[in-house]
Amino acid sequence: DADVTQTPRNRITKTGKRIMLECSQTKGHDRMYWYRQDPGLGLRLIYYSFDVKDINKGEISDGYSVSRQAQAKFSLSLESAIPNQTALYFCATSEGGQGGETQYFGPGTRLLVL
Amino acid sequence: DQQVKQNSPSLSVQEGRISILNCDYTNSMFDYFLWYKKYPAEGPTFLISISSIKDKNEDGRFTVFLNKSAKHLSLHIVPSQPGDSAVYFCAALGGSEKLVFGKGTKLTVNP
Repeated sequence: DADVTQTPRNRITKTGKRIMLECSQTKGHDRMYWYRQDPGLGLRLIYYSFDVKDINKGEISDGYSVSRQAQAKFSLSLESAIPNQTALYFCATSEGGQGGETQYFGPGTRLLVL
Repeated sequence: DQQVKQNSPSLSVQEGRISILNCDYTNSMFDYFLWYKKYPAEGPTFLISISSIKDKNEDGRFTVFLNKSAKHLSLHIVPSQPGDSAVYFCAALGGSEKLVFGKGTKLTVNP
C-alpha cells in the first residue's frame, strides 16, 4: 500500500463550486504539505502543517484553505473554484528536523476547473 | 524572484552516456539540497540529497555535486538508461524548513 494517498486522483468541476482534496499518510510523519504544479512552473507550496495544531500559509495560499484533521490527514479546499486553479495538486509528508528533511509525495490529483 | 533555478528545460542523451543536470540557487541560507524524479501521472520521488557540509554524495549511478561558492549543484547519472527519462526537480531547504523547488528539467534518454 502507498504511504501517501490522495483522493480523488482526477476531478472536473465548474467555476464557483467548492471542492475538497484529501490526503492521508501512513508514514507517521508530523509534517504535511500541499503543492500545486503548473506546466513550466515547478512545484509551489500552498499550505503546510508541522503538527496537528499548526497551519501555515505557503507561497500561493490565496483561494485555498486547509484542515489538519489528524496527524495522518490533511485536506485542501477550494472554496469557490476558478479556472486558473486548474493544475496538478500534490500532498507530501516529512519527518522534519535534522535527518528528516526529505519530503515524500502522494500520486497527485489532477483538477480541471471549467 | 526565483531562488532555485534549473536553466535547462530539457536534456537529451544517448543510453550509456552521462547525464548532467544543473541547478543554481541564490539564497545563501540554503543548507540542504534534494533531487526528485517525476514520471508522468505520478508524484515526485526522492532521488538523492546533499548537505552543505559535503561537496559530493553518491548513490549507485547517481551522484550529486555541490559547489557552495558558486551556489551550484549538479546531478550526474552514469550510465544513463531509458528508464531514467523523467522530469528532474532540484529543491533546496534553509532556515524556514520549507522546500523551494526549481522548475524542473525533462531528461530524455534515447536507446
